[in-house]
Amino acid sequence: AQTIHQWPVAEIKAVGSPLSLGCTIKGKSSPNLYWYWQATGGTLQQLFYSITVGQVESVVQLNLSASRPKDDQFILSTEKLLLSHSGFYLCAWSLGGDSYEQYFGPGTRLTVL
Amino acid sequence: QQKVQQSPESLIVPEGGMASLNCTSSDRNVDYFWWYRQHSGKSPKMLMSIFSNGEKEEGRFTVHLNKASLHTSLHIRDSQPSDSALYLCAASMTTGNYKYVFGAGTRLKVIA
Repeated sequence: AQTIHQWPVAEIKAVGSPLSLGCTIKGKSSPNLYWYWQATGGTLQQLFYSITVGQVESVVQLNLSASRPKDDQFILSTEKLLLSHSGFYLCAWSLGGDSYEQYFGPGTRLTVL
Repeated sequence: QQKVQQSPESLIVPEGGMASLNCTSSDRNVDYFWWYRQHSGKSPKMLMSIFSNGEKEEGRFTVHLNKASLHTSLHIRDSQPSDSALYLCAASMTTGNYKYVFGAGTRLKVIA
């Protein structure tokens, strides 16, 4: 069975500080991977997607970047946090090829002060 | 920019009643719709998907799609208090496109 793990579970950071969030998928090779952001009370917004190692496509520019260093790992980062970065960050995966059903991880709750 | 509109914003139904939620996309290139349920503080869980005109039923959940109007609806019969959650609709294109657009959701409350 496939499992998706996100870390950390929650983070409190200062404005201007760096950030790195991670996501790991186990039990599935070559998944499509996605990052989403949901402001408190806001709409779920897709940020990035990756269909292969080393390749990441940006969907929305929010002064964030993403990387896929390994087949089962997806990283979201920024060098300088803004207050507007607060929210719920979700990693999701789908099977490769023509399967589009997405499965979400448990999420990371980020508070920027 | 594509938008997904959901209505109503919130809905209260009695336990055992029927909940009906709506979703429409403004992008005519969209051909796949997804319904997710998100309990407070949790991640979304997929309920159903549909890409063909017509109706699809799974247990207490029924989804309808009208491709001409890009409108989908989710109906929950025999609603339970545990169905209380935020219901999200998402739209995507299946032709090698990996972008998903979500609506703002409908907040359902089922009261005993």
